[in-house]
Amino acid sequence: DVQLVESGGGLVSPGGSLRLSCAASGFAFTTYSMNWVRQAPGKGLEWLSNIDYNSMDTYYSDSVKGRFTISRDNARNLLYLQMNSLRDDDTALYYCARGDWNHWGQGTLVTVSS
Amino acid sequence: ETVLTQSPATLSLSPGEGATLSCRASQSVNHYLAWYQQKPGQAPRLLIYDASDRATGIPSRFSGSGSGTDFTLSISSVEPEDFAVYYCQQRRFWPITFGGGTTVEIK
Repeated sequence: DVQLVESGGGLVSPGGSLRLSCAASGFAFTTYSMNWVRQAPGKGLEWLSNIDYNSMDTYYSDSVKGRFTISRDNARNLLYLQMNSLRDDDTALYYCARGDWNHWGQGTLVTVSS
Repeated sequence: ETVLTQSPATLSLSPGEGATLSCRASQSVNHYLAWYQQKPGQAPRLLIYDASDRATGIPSRFSGSGSGTDFTLSISSVEPEDFAVYYCQQRRFWPITFGGGTTVEIK
């Protein structure tokens, strides 16, 4: 079965950093692009970033460009999101999703608060 | 960026009724439009991709139509498990964008 499991969320102070991970299993990770999407409490979905299968191309939303960095380790079937300069409005549940959007993780909660 | 506007914000229905959800794009996205269902405490689930293709395992009561800027998700006869929030998403342009969502609630 396809599984995507996010980890690394938690409470962080404004201006701080956090690195999220997404462990993939049950499919050929190296053949899919991957995405990060977030959902603030009680709000809608916001796409954040995409990385292609071999890390040659990356894309970001304007809201995180320059602060967040997407990367992947195809040898370990892992997707990452390095988040720097965190702000209160980055508080959200962060999902990873496979590039065809058929599979999503259950999310990891990031809370930015002093 | 491509703005997706969903209407109505809330749809109140009784089980067995039909539902029509709308998504309008600020520019043509051709057929690169998807629909998702999200229930409380769950991740979104892909229902429709490329405007009208049902994802694997999605019941036939769900159908999508449209192209360019105007899209529709139809539920032919709403089942109790269909009460949820529905989002549209365009993949024609970077950044990928989602609509604000339509809540389908029990009347």
